[in-house]
Amino acid sequence: DQQVKQNSPSLSVQEGRISILNCDYTNSMFDYFLWYKKYPAEGPTFLISISSIKDKNEDGRFTVFLNKSAKHLSLHIVPSQPGDSAVYFCAARVAVYGQNFVFGPGTRLSVLP
Amino acid sequence: NAGVTQTPKFRVLKTGQSMTLLCAQDMNHEYMYWYRQDPGMGLRLIHYSVGEGTTAKGEVPDGYNVSRLKKQNFLLGLESAAPSQTSVYFCASSYSIGGAGTQYFGPGTRLTVL
Repeated sequence: DQQVKQNSPSLSVQEGRISILNCDYTNSMFDYFLWYKKYPAEGPTFLISISSIKDKNEDGRFTVFLNKSAKHLSLHIVPSQPGDSAVYFCAARVAVYGQNFVFGPGTRLSVLP
Repeated sequence: NAGVTQTPKFRVLKTGQSMTLLCAQDMNHEYMYWYRQDPGMGLRLIHYSVGEGTTAKGEVPDGYNVSRLKKQNFLLGLESAAPSQTSVYFCASSYSIGGAGTQYFGPGTRLTVL
């Protein structure tokens, strides 16, 4: 049973509009959440993170929102650019296991010019 | 500064053959990881290491062995490859202290077992 879920396998957005990628989790012991971005034939690269004690973290065009009561995480990209087209993975950490993360299956974002 | 490198990039094996995947990092990270990525499954942790000479099992360790003889290297071995091990393998490394322990990934190794 997947502890981290990304229920939308793919998402298409027009350039300049907002992209919203969603992530749901089941384990209430997760204390840190991260988003990774992956281009074809490359390894994932870190994008943005949020601690479970916060509900929002912003970095330039990227904002992550955390709703602990709903066990829901979202990544907003504003404005979306064609270079944002990639697979986005949500990942969560259980503190007791050190630096180990559980990854979601990913959402493929396509930003159309 | 090369970051995390993996060799080889591609490999085709026959069932029952063995091979070793090499991961190297030049960031002096304590933690290193091996993941596999399969369609619709995200990345699943195979084994990890919290320091030189130490290894531990992850979520899907069966059929794999690892070694961390030097801090900068983490080896993943398949003793008798099976078609179920066809996957893309990613190595990662991270700091051990503070923050979220952001992991830095290598470019991946695509392995096909026939």
